[in-house]
Amino acid sequence: DQQVKQNSPSLSVQEGRISILNCDYTNSMFDYFLWYKKYPAEGPTFLISISSIKDKNEDGRFTVFLNKSAKHLSLHIVPSQPGDSAVYFCAAESTKRDDKIIFGKGTRLHILP
Amino acid sequence: NAGVTQTPKFQVLKTGQSMTLQCAQDMNHNSMYWYRQDPGMGLRLIYYSASEGTTDKGEVPNGYNVSRLNKREFSLRLESAAPSQTSVYFCASSEFRNEAFFGQGTRLTVV
Repeated sequence: DQQVKQNSPSLSVQEGRISILNCDYTNSMFDYFLWYKKYPAEGPTFLISISSIKDKNEDGRFTVFLNKSAKHLSLHIVPSQPGDSAVYFCAAESTKRDDKIIFGKGTRLHILP
Repeated sequence: NAGVTQTPKFQVLKTGQSMTLQCAQDMNHNSMYWYRQDPGMGLRLIYYSASEGTTDKGEVPNGYNVSRLNKREFSLRLESAAPSQTSVYFCASSEFRNEAFFGQGTRLTVV
C-alpha cells in the first residue's frame, strides 16, 4: 500500500512558466515532507522541505505548499528553467515514530524550450 | 568532504551468487538507509538504521540483510542474488529531522 503517491508520471512545461508537481500521502503520522531532484546516473539531491506545522516554505524559485487536511503537498517552480528537467521525488517521514523516509514514485519534469 | 560513498558503482552477478554493497558516510549522521530504484517504482526503502547497532526493515526487505558496522558504515548483503534484485541501489544518511544525503548509486545486474 503506497503511503506517498505521485500520480503524474510525467509533466511538460514551457520554459519560463510555472511547474506544479503534486503529491498525496495517506499516513497521518507523517509530519515532515521533502522534495528531491534526480538526474540520470546520479543520486537524488535534496531540494526543499516543510514541517507539518507550516503550510508554505519558499527557497528561491522553489515553493512547497502543504495542505494537511487534504494530505496533499505541491512543489511550485517559478520560473521553470531547462536545468529543472529531472525526476522529482516527494518524500515523507514520521519524526515522532522513527526517521524512515518514504518516497513516492517520482514525476519526470520536461522543460520545453 | 566526500559525503556518502558507495562501492562498487557497477556489478554483474549470476543468480545464486552473494555480494555485499558497501556504504560509508563522513557527516557523523546517526540515520542511514538503503533504497532500491526500479523503473516506475520510485525509491523503495529496503532497510533503515537509526543508530549504530540498530536496524529496521523497510518496505522491501526480503532477500537482503544489513549490518551497521559502526556509525560511518552501513552495508547491504544479498545472500543469494535473484534476477528480481536487478536494480539501482542507493545508500543515504541523515540527521534527525533533516534531509537525507544520497550516494551515487550501485547499478546491479543479476543474470
